Amino acid sequence: ETGVTQSPTHLIKTRGQQVTLRCSSQSGHNTVSWYQQALGQGPQFIFQYYREEENGRGNFPPRFSGLQFPNYSSELNVNALELDDSALYLCASSFIKDVPQQFFGPGTRLTVL
Amino acid sequence: AQTVTQSQPEMSVQEAETVTLSCTYDTSESDYYLFWYKQPPSRQMILVIRQEAYKQQNATENRFSVNFQKAAKSFSLKISDSQLGDAAMYFCAYSPNTGNQFYFGTGTSLTVIP
Repeated sequence: ETGVTQSPTHLIKTRGQQVTLRCSSQSGHNTVSWYQQALGQGPQFIFQYYREEENGRGNFPPRFSGLQFPNYSSELNVNALELDDSALYLCASSFIKDVPQQFFGPGTRLTVL
Repeated sequence: AQTVTQSQPEMSVQEAETVTLSCTYDTSESDYYLFWYKQPPSRQMILVIRQEAYKQQNATENRFSVNFQKAAKSFSLKISDSQLGDAAMYFCAYSPNTGNQFYFGTGTSLTVIP
């Protein structure tokens, strides 16, 4: 059974640029959620995708957007990067008809200069 | 809005002793799920234990158990026989029964003293 994987591991961007982060869900999972974890804080829910559609969203502006593909992998896109976007971005997958137990990937560390 | 509060930023415990981490939450829902996650320095989040709100019995997983007080909206984690490998950040999390939103607390950093 393959776990949740994310790429890249680290990324450095400058303010105003755009970034795409990628996530492959665990085998058999049909739902992907994305989180932003600032240094020293708990993860903040960005959104969740189920069957290629957004299924729930946290308090993040529209410049945070996502995609889910037929194989249930997912992308997180952030436009017009701001310094405060510097964080660890976590992806988690689950099977929506089960208890919402999420399995997390190792994260992508984004630094915005 | 749902909130999750962890009032202990840091805790320490002697190896082989017992420690309890606190968590309170706020919700108007009657059916939901609660979780404790562990995040070691390697940063990959690992599920420690979960509790369904409709179950009165407290969840237990080996050395880990919870004290779930629904009326008080309290969900504490007890770690028995603490081991060096238990050192990590611990996050309490809440999800409504739809499973399409998750709320995490700010975490408790646990140190295990040999």
